[in-house]
Amino acid sequence: AQSVTQLDSHVSVSEGTPVLLRCNYSSSYSPSLFWYVQHPNKGLQLLLKYTSAATLVKGINGFEAEFKKSETSFHLTKPSAHMSDAAEYFCVVSDRSPGAAGNKLTFGGGTRVLVKP
Amino acid sequence: DGGITQSPKYLFRKEGQNVTLSCEQNLNHDAMYWYRQDPGQGLRLIYYSQIVNDFQKGDIAEGYSVSREKKESFPLTVTSAQKNPTAFYLCATTHRTSGSSYEQYFGPGTRLTVT
Repeated sequence: AQSVTQLDSHVSVSEGTPVLLRCNYSSSYSPSLFWYVQHPNKGLQLLLKYTSAATLVKGINGFEAEFKKSETSFHLTKPSAHMSDAAEYFCVVSDRSPGAAGNKLTFGGGTRVLVKP
Repeated sequence: DGGITQSPKYLFRKEGQNVTLSCEQNLNHDAMYWYRQDPGQGLRLIYYSQIVNDFQKGDIAEGYSVSREKKESFPLTVTSAQKNPTAFYLCATTHRTSGSSYEQYFGPGTRLTVT
């Protein structure tokens, strides 16, 4: 079984300040972890993914995330927020156990980011 | 949004009517998925199909039906048995990037409103 908890449903930051979105997961097997971003009434866009290579993963638009197995966390950060970062962000886990049918993804509840000028 | 097309973008129906949402892909991906998204919640899996003529129930399949007659197409029917059909519906495909690593690609979504 696998699950994802995004610790903040809303995050508000000022433009130019750092962004931190927190994510904790549980998985029976070595997981793949993803962050997706969704702008209003749009589909989801992949920001970055972790698949057991480097624990610090760099993604698009200046985002990065660090996989910490001991803390079962995969927090997303960006050093300086931009107005265009205002969106909803989803942390996602994929169970890579043998026979994981269809590579089902389990989504966190989402974190909505507001960027103030 | 890549090579996944969902139509229409907005759909309105009266309660008691069945409605079919379209999902087409030209990515040549084998696996396709349907998710439902409600406000304040993450995506929940309705149905998925790993290959033509085969599909499996996801976590919330009740009140929905699908077909997979062609690799490119995976339509979702929301039946009158679905108690709360108003939601944002997202179609996705899966691509294997290496070994056991996969990525999912999402369509732009269809917002269904039932009154």
